[in-house]
Amino acid sequence: SYELTQPPSVSVSPGQTASITCSGDKLGDKYTCWYQQKPGQSPVLVIYQDTKRPSGIPERFSGSNSGNTATLTISGTQTMDEADYYCQAWDRSTVVFGGGTKLTVL
Amino acid sequence: QLQLQESGPGLVKPSDTLSLTCTVSGVSISTSSYYWGWIRQPPGKGLEWIGNMYYSGSAYYNPSLKSRVTISVDTSKNQFSLKLSSVTAADTAVYYCARHATDGSGRYFYHYMDVWGKGTTVTVSS
Repeated sequence: SYELTQPPSVSVSPGQTASITCSGDKLGDKYTCWYQQKPGQSPVLVIYQDTKRPSGIPERFSGSNSGNTATLTISGTQTMDEADYYCQAWDRSTVVFGGGTKLTVL
Repeated sequence: QLQLQESGPGLVKPSDTLSLTCTVSGVSISTSSYYWGWIRQPPGKGLEWIGNMYYSGSAYYNPSLKSRVTISVDTSKNQFSLKLSSVTAADTAVYYCARHATDGSGRYFYHYMDVWGKGTTVTVSS
């Protein structure tokens, strides 16, 4: 089965740029999306089709996808961005999630 | 405004069948290019996709759960449902329903969850 690998944790200082990676075999040949989940809340879609932002998602969230790695970038990270982030792709008629990355802003 | 709301028992006995319903408001469940499905999250763990269904009946399931899962759609009630049979403690989780946006082909095929319900906690215990 297809696997997506994320680092368990990433730390960033307020105002700096955070990058969260998601790795999978030839992931660049598939569309990837990203979800943000804060404690006790439902996931929220922040990036879809590699680079697109849903309405209401701040411009500081951006995405890229090439080769075997997709990246979620948060520019000018704010304390409100502290959350778990999950990447997701579609492979062989199945939704696949990465294991999640806990972003700490300190 | 599109909203999804899960409902169902919060406690299920081992070996029984877990049954949940998701009520959709603000849009017809028969809208094209959208599937309707379920995702779960065990306590302290990541997201696990369960499966989804188009209003016409076409469905996709997680291979690891497929033998125990049934998803159905009721267009007259604008609802869709999940049944998970032979549950064990490992099925204890927060269960989310979500709208799945999908379209395209080949390299440009996409499938993602753009609207989620608030989730409902299901505990499997005697």
